[in-house]
Formats: sequence, structure tokens, C-alpha cells
Amino acid sequence: DVKVTQSSRYLVKRTGEKVFLECVQDMDHENMFWYRQDPGLGLRLIYFSYDVKMKEKGDIPEGYSVSREKKERFSLILESASTNQTSMYLCASSSGTRNEQFFGPGTRLTVL
Amino acid sequence: SQQGEEDPQALSIQEGENATMNCSYKTSINNLQWYRQNSGRGLVHLILIRSNEREKHSGRLRVTLDTSKKSSSLLITASRAADTASYFCATPGFSGNTPLVFGKGTRLSVIA
Repeated sequence: DVKVTQSSRYLVKRTGEKVFLECVQDMDHENMFWYRQDPGLGLRLIYFSYDVKMKEKGDIPEGYSVSREKKERFSLILESASTNQTSMYLCASSSGTRNEQFFGPGTRLTVL
Repeated sequence: SQQGEEDPQALSIQEGENATMNCSYKTSINNLQWYRQNSGRGLVHLILIRSNEREKHSGRLRVTLDTSKKSSSLLITASRAADTASYFCATPGFSGNTPLVFGKGTRLSVIA
């Protein structure tokens, strides 16, 4: 069964902390994506990657960075967490830009 | 960026009734996808319809695409309480290398 896993389902951090969200896929997909989802705003793309060590900014990259050292793993980093980064974070992967995306279960991050 | 927009934002029906959700988009596409999201979870791909297809079926799901009107509809027949979820349409970005763009979703409640 194909899978995208995320390191935590729920996470609580303090303002100013450095936060790592990990995503791993077992489908050998080239493409990986990070979204945040907030009520009324839908899914917004933060960063994406089409290859190892490659990254592209999405619609809302400010305050975030990413790392893709291995094909199966795509990490989202909040360098200094702020309360406005409290959100649901979703990771996804796909085999082609226009193909079906497979999503992880999401990480609900609360920044206090 | 191009975005599909779902209508209505929310829909409440009785079990056994049919549910119809619509998606409008702005520019030419080569495919359109529908996803489901159960509360607090990741998105799950339901169906992809290509621009040269007018209708596609998958179990109790029927998707139509009208490229002249730049719209698509998702019909769920004989709905069940388990169909309660948010439904999103997704369209390819403007250029071949741009990720999918998701709408804000329709929240469907099926009352037993």
C-alpha cells in the first residue's frame, strides 16, 4: 500500500522555536509538496521539489525553508515559529506535475 | 495562480439523496482532478478527468467536464453518512512545470 507519512499528527511549539516537519514517501516519486491549510483559505502551497536537492517557492514561502537530501524525504523547517504559523500542514508527492498527488495524514501545529 | 473554485461552499443533505458540487476554473486545462478530505486528515484522490472527456464514472461518483464553460461537476449518488467530508477540485498550473492548484472546497454533510 503506497504511503506518505508525516512525523507527527499533533505538535505544540513555543514562539521562536525552530520546528522540523518531516515527510517520507515510499513510492519513488520525484515530486514532493508542502501545503498549509487554514479555514476559509483552502490549501496554500509553501514549497515544492521536483528532484533531490532542488526546491521551488510556492505561494507562501515566507517564514519557511525546506530540505530534500534524499528522494523519499522532504522536510519543512520553521526557522523561528510564530503564532501565525499555527495551522494544518500537509505533505504530498506525485510522479508527475499534473498527476494525482498522494497526501500524508497532516500535522496540526500549534505555536503558543 | 489559476484556481478552481467550488460551489457551494457547504452542502447538507439526507442520506440516500444525491449531492452535486461544482468547480469553475479560469484558463484552459488538460485535466481536472477531484479529491476528498475527511475531517482532520489528508486529501485522497477520487478521480481525474481529461480535457477530451466529457464524463467519467467511479462507483457512486460521476464527474462531468465542460471545457467550453470551464466547469466541472462531481455527483455523488445515494449518499451515505460516510461521504461526509470536504471535496476539492484541482487544476494544473499555468505552465507545464507548475504544481496543481486546489480550490477552497465544498463541505458536504450527509445526515443519517
